Order: sequence, then structure tokens, then C-alpha cells
Amino acid sequence: DGGITQSPKYLFRKEGQNVTLSCEQNLNHDAMYWYRQDPGQGLRLIYYSQIVNDFQKGDIAEGYSVSREKKESFPLTVTSAQKNPTAFYLCASSIQDRINYGYTFGSGTRLTVV
Amino acid sequence: SQQGEEDPQALSIQEGENATMNCSYKTSINNLQWYRQNSGRGLVHLILIRSNEREKHSGRLRVTLDTSKKSSSLLITASRAADTASYFCATATSGGGADGLTFGKGTHLIIQP
Repeated sequence: DGGITQSPKYLFRKEGQNVTLSCEQNLNHDAMYWYRQDPGQGLRLIYYSQIVNDFQKGDIAEGYSVSREKKESFPLTVTSAQKNPTAFYLCASSIQDRINYGYTFGSGTRLTVV
Repeated sequence: SQQGEEDPQALSIQEGENATMNCSYKTSINNLQWYRQNSGRGLVHLILIRSNEREKHSGRLRVTLDTSKKSSSLLITASRAADTASYFCATATSGGGADGLTFGKGTHLIIQP
């Protein structure tokens, strides 16, 4: 079955550590997105990529980094510069015909600072 | 900043009743989309309505869009316990969402059996 796989489902980070969240899709979608969800805040865009080897900052990119070396993969690194990383992270993808089709989301990674 | 704002924030109804959620947004859009999220899970795309459309149906879902008022509504008819979830509206501006959808804070819907 085609879809988006996020791993791990739960992740714990110590202060000062960088951690990387995985996002892989086999939908042959060109565009991929990372969102952060906090309770009562809805979803906020971190980074997005419309094509391999290219990505753009979203509304809250500070303290995060991404890469897009393959069409299928869009990993997100939460760096030590992100002061409040505890949140639910969602990866999504879409085809080029975004006028008529929505996004497909992964099942999320819950990151907790310990 | 949040583009869409859902209303109400929470809604509790009896099974079999209809549920209506509203969404307001601020800027011009290409399309508006509704998503469902079950607790602790990813979002599932429900329905998309383009800016030149006024109403759209999908099964028990009915979405309306009023671009003059910058608002949309999602109606779920004959609700079921499985409809219990959070519902988000999301707006797409340039490129239909190429630079990311903007989400509201969501309406938490509880269906009482």
C-alpha cells in the first residue's frame, strides 16, 4: 500500500542533543512538508520541499534543518537551537495538482525533551 | 500566523444528529480543505473545495464556501461514534498549496452514543 511512513513514533531527546525524524513516502509525490502540532495551536509549517535538492523555510524554521536528497525521503533534524521542541511532528506530501487534491499525512512522531 | 479559525472549538452531540463546524479565513485562497484527526494520529483529507465552487458533497459530508464572507462550513449528517475526532480547515493560497497549507486550530467533535 502506498503511503507515508514516519519513524520513530515516539522519541525522547536530552537537552543539547540533535535528533532526526524520518519521513518516507512511496506515493511518487513531488512535494513534501513538515508541520509541528502543539495542543490548542493547530499545525504550523516548519519546512517544505517542492522538488529534490530544494527546500524552503516555513513559518517556524528556526532550530530545525531538513534535506531532500531523494524524492522519497524528507528527514527533519531538530537541533539543540530549538528551545522548546516537545511537540507532535507531522510529515505530509502532495502531487503537483494541488488545486484538486489535498495532502497525505504520516501518522506522526511525538518528540519529548527529558 | 493562523489563516483559518474553526468555530466552535468543541462540539458534543448525540449519535444520529448532524454536526456543523465553521471556518473563517483572512486572505484570498485557491482552495479550502477539511481534514480529520483522530487522537494521536495523522490527519486524513476529507474534502477540497475550490474558490470558484460554492458547495460540495462527499458521502455524509457537505461543505460550503462563501468567498465574500471568507468562510466555510462542514456539515456531517447522521453522525456516528466513529466521527469523534478533531476537524481542521486548511487554506491554500498560491499554487494551490505548493508553499504549504495554513491550518486552523480545529474543532473537537464528540459523538455521544
